[in-house]
Order: sequence, then C-alpha cells, then structure tokens
Amino acid sequence: QVQLVQSGAEVKKPGASVKVSCKPSGYTFTGYYMHWVRQAPGQGLEWMGRINPNSGGTNSAQKFQGRVTMTRDTSISTAYMELSGLTSDDTAVYYCARGTVVAGTGRLIDYWGQGTLVTVSS
Amino acid sequence: QSALTQPPSASGSPGQSVTISCTGTSSDVGGYNYVSWYQQHPGKAPKLMIHEVTKRPSGVPDRFSGSKSGNTASLTVSGLQAEDEADYYCNSYAGSNNWVFGGGTKLTVL
Repeated sequence: QVQLVQSGAEVKKPGASVKVSCKPSGYTFTGYYMHWVRQAPGQGLEWMGRINPNSGGTNSAQKFQGRVTMTRDTSISTAYMELSGLTSDDTAVYYCARGTVVAGTGRLIDYWGQGTLVTVSS
Repeated sequence: QSALTQPPSASGSPGQSVTISCTGTSSDVGGYNYVSWYQQHPGKAPKLMIHEVTKRPSGVPDRFSGSKSGNTASLTVSGLQAEDEADYYCNSYAGSNNWVFGGGTKLTVL
C-alpha cells in the first residue's frame, strides 16, 4: 500500500531555514510527482509546489518562489522541501502528497504524508 | 492565485444530505475538469474523496458524489453519518502547473 513518511517536528528561529523530508513506499518513487502543501494552525490547505522526482524539475506557487527549494535523492527514494527566511507566519504543518504519474496528463493529488509541524519562534 | 471560496460551515442530521460548494474562476474550476475533494479529521492528514470532479477512489462510499457547473464545484454527502463530521477542502488545477485549494468547510453532523 502507498505510504509517505515524513521527518519529525522542527522548531526554528526567525530567519532560519527548515528542510523536511518525505520517503514514500508502495510505488516507484520516480514515477509520480510529489507535491508540498502546508496548513497553518486552524487554517486551510495551501499548495506550495511540486517536484518531478525523475527529472528534478520543479514548479512552485508564486508566493513561495525564491524561498522554497524542492529536491530529491533518487538513491534513497526521498523528497525534500526546504523553506528559507522563516517568519512566524510559516508556522504550519507541512505535508508531502503524491501527484500524478510523471508521464501522464492528469492533475491528481492522492496520497498524503502524516505531516511535519514546523514551529517558528524566537 | 486566490483561494477557492467555500462556505465556512455546513451541517445536517444523520441520514440527511448536505452539499458543499466551491467557487473559483474560469482559470481554475471552470477551466479544467480537475477538481478534487478531501476530507480531513482533526489532527489527521487529508484523504482524497473525489477527483476529476466526479470520480470516487476505491474505498470511498458512494454516499459521496461530486459535480460542477460553470465556475462552481459541489460535493454532496448523502445519508449523513457521524463519521462524516470533518473538514472538507476542494482543490483545482489552475493552469501553468499550479494548484489552488479552497478555504475549507467544517461539516457538522447534528
């Protein structure tokens, strides 16, 4: 069965960076896009971007461009999302979520990781 | 990209039906048949309930159905059950490799 396991909670100071990992199982890592979505406390979901684990190509929401870096390590089938210049507004649960097949034309986001709480506090 | 518009809350009694709307623009909901709905219980990750406007993944009860008219998509939950109480989010492809979510609707089973 498809599972996405994320790294543990983080506490960071303003201005710092955070890097969250996501290791899927149950499917071919390089065969499906990986999306990143965040949810501030008591708020809704916010799409951040996606990575093609096969090519490494990325797309990100305009709001996060220049501040978010999505990478992958195919040798260990793990995706990463790094967010820099943290402020208290970045306090949120960050999710990775599987997208559609990289060779396809769909736009599906289906399976989600358990989430990683990132707290930004001085 | 602005968030899609959902009502903050919806409610119904057990056995009743409730419909949650999701309004976007011709650049997202109205422009593509790539609308999904997710259910999220407190402290849990979202779960896919509907994709491509009307399609139900395996394992999702047929009490859940989706539709779209113009720039507004809808999720209908029929035969409400206590376990349906959760937050529901719509999501749409918005072109140019961008996606947008709705603000979420809290469904209460009375």
